[in-house]
Amino acid sequence: SQTIHQWPATLVQPVGSPLSLECTVEGTSNPNLYWYRQAAGRGLQLLFYSVGIGQISSEVPQNLSASRPQDRQFILSSKKLLLSDSGFYLCACKRDRKHEQFFGPGTRLTVL
Amino acid sequence: DAKTTQPPSMDCAEGRAANLPCNHSTISGNEYVYWYRQIHSQGPQYIIHGLKNNETNEMASLIITEDRKSSTLILPHATLRDTAVYYCIVRGTSGSARQLTFGSGTQLTVLP
Repeated sequence: SQTIHQWPATLVQPVGSPLSLECTVEGTSNPNLYWYRQAAGRGLQLLFYSVGIGQISSEVPQNLSASRPQDRQFILSSKKLLLSDSGFYLCACKRDRKHEQFFGPGTRLTVL
Repeated sequence: DAKTTQPPSMDCAEGRAANLPCNHSTISGNEYVYWYRQIHSQGPQYIIHGLKNNETNEMASLIITEDRKSSTLILPHATLRDTAVYYCIVRGTSGSARQLTFGSGTQLTVLP
């Protein structure tokens, strides 16, 4: 079964600083990959998804970007963080034609 | 994807069955019903999914009405560790419908 690694687990960053969150997947190949964000006390919001290397779809306009340099690596980035970027960031994967999405442990980001 | 409606919160006594309802009156013929749960500060966990027939696995049972406009997730013997937010999601299987859209869910609290 697949395992999703995310790091760091927690992060505190000042406003205006850059961001790079990494997600790697083990135990599967050519997965669909997803980045979600969960603001405090709210539901999950899909930010990006990818069906293959270099293929990124954005769901909401924002100052974040995503990249998929390798089949099982998904990176979430920002050049300048905003206070509103604070939240719980979750990476997920799904094998094509399978139903279940598997989620990583998440990164809790606080922007001060 | 069809919209779902869930009660914001429910309580259940430990050892009793927890029945979590979900309305999805605008569901279309090719859309599945999925249930996930999220324990505090963790990533969501897949529970079960179904299309038309009732489904059962080691975690739960899913009962879908004949008109498919509503469903119920049943945890047969709730334990304290089942306390979580439960999300009911309706999703198709092709194109831009690959991703999950999470609503607010139901906060289930299992009481000792």
